[in-house]
Amino acid sequence: DADVTQTPRNRITKTGKRIMLECSQTKGHDRMYWYRQDPGLGLRLIYYSFDVKDINKGEISDGYSVSRQAQAKFSLSLESAIPNQTALYFCATSDWGLAENTGELFFGEGSRLTVL
Amino acid sequence: TQLLEQSPQFLSIQEGENLTVYCNSSSVFSSLQWYRQEPGEGPVLLVTVVTGGEVKKLKRLTFQFGDARKDSSLHITAAQPGDTGLYLCAGPTSGTYKYIFGTGTRLKVLA
Repeated sequence: DADVTQTPRNRITKTGKRIMLECSQTKGHDRMYWYRQDPGLGLRLIYYSFDVKDINKGEISDGYSVSRQAQAKFSLSLESAIPNQTALYFCATSDWGLAENTGELFFGEGSRLTVL
Repeated sequence: TQLLEQSPQFLSIQEGENLTVYCNSSSVFSSLQWYRQEPGEGPVLLVTVVTGGEVKKLKRLTFQFGDARKDSSLHITAAQPGDTGLYLCAGPTSGTYKYIFGTGTRLKVLA
């Protein structure tokens, strides 16, 4: 089984619908992230969490919310989906690394969301 | 706002050629990482560079961190079709463990 699992892998929905993308990890990491990937824009950070009680906004949090249900679970919600939220979404976890700010990011396989 | 810009955005070369991909910022980073992403998968870490001027080698891939820790490069010697993929640089924003990514370089190596 994958260390970082995302569900669903693919989802097509309509404008205005509420969507939840789920992420679970078996790596035992405290730090979890949600990124969005669009062609030509690399990965952009939506939200990140360093423990169950810590939630932080990233570069593009508008229109999104998150919930850290447990150390191993971090879900991303789109309260009212719009077409420009069509993208590939990645969940990631990271360790602390051998030195400060050197932790490795471990990614799930991605959730492709299409909003019509 | 710290930004990472990569160049070139796209690169298509013949097997056996050499290439260099650049990752630049106007800000200092405490470390930079390079990831490779293949279709249908998440990015996978290739290397982390920490010290200004540091050079790391991974088989045919050579990574360098600029002396001022504002830029990094990835050089591939004798590229092979298996090197095809999206290469991303990433780094932690100052004072946080929040990782930002560059815009990516999509490499295609033709047999």
